[in-house]
Amino acid sequence: DAMVIQNPRYQVTQFGKPVTLSCSQTLNHNVMYWYQQKSSQAPKLLFHYYDKDFNNEADTPDNFQSRRPNTSFCFLDIRSPGLGDAAMYLCATSRDKAGQPQHFGDGTRLSIL
Amino acid sequence: AQSVTQPDIHITVSEGASLELRCNYSYGATPYLFWYVQSPGQGLQLLLKYFSGDTLVQGIKGFEAEFKRSQSSFNLRKPSVHWSDAAEYFCAVGVYNFNKFYFGSGTKLNVKP
Repeated sequence: DAMVIQNPRYQVTQFGKPVTLSCSQTLNHNVMYWYQQKSSQAPKLLFHYYDKDFNNEADTPDNFQSRRPNTSFCFLDIRSPGLGDAAMYLCATSRDKAGQPQHFGDGTRLSIL
Repeated sequence: AQSVTQPDIHITVSEGASLELRCNYSYGATPYLFWYVQSPGQGLQLLLKYFSGDTLVQGIKGFEAEFKRSQSSFNLRKPSVHWSDAAEYFCAVGVYNFNKFYFGSGTKLNVKP
């Protein structure tokens, strides 16, 4: 089945140790998004790629970076994770510009020791 | 500025009872509206969407929603709730041409036996 796959489902890292979360999609969608979701809160958009064009939200910390080497894959890099970065990270895709529904992966839950 | 309001943080209903989850939005143009459901530890699943046309839209799992322009609302309904419907529900507005979704803060649904 076509889908959005996030690996790993659970990630534990140490305070300040760089970590990378991955997302892949078989939908061949143009747009890929990364969201941060903390407990009992709505997902918060960090950034998105429209094809190769990177779009950063104004309030996304510099600590968060992203790479999209090809259509299928997108990575979230956290350069120096702090305790406040512990959250669920959701990847989503959409076929084209907004107006299209977003398809979400199951998320990666990040814990910081 | 665009915003989405879900005024009910928690709702508890008895199994078999009807359900209505409220959503109000603020947006200058005709919005693209969505309802998503999130089970614990998982990503968001699209229940239904409204783009244009018939203001009553049908979704998966027996859900429906009605767009009321005059009230800036897009309430989600289900005539008979099942225990498996216990989850968190998010309303979202899609902003055309800006690749952005604005999520409400979510409503947690509990279902009593």
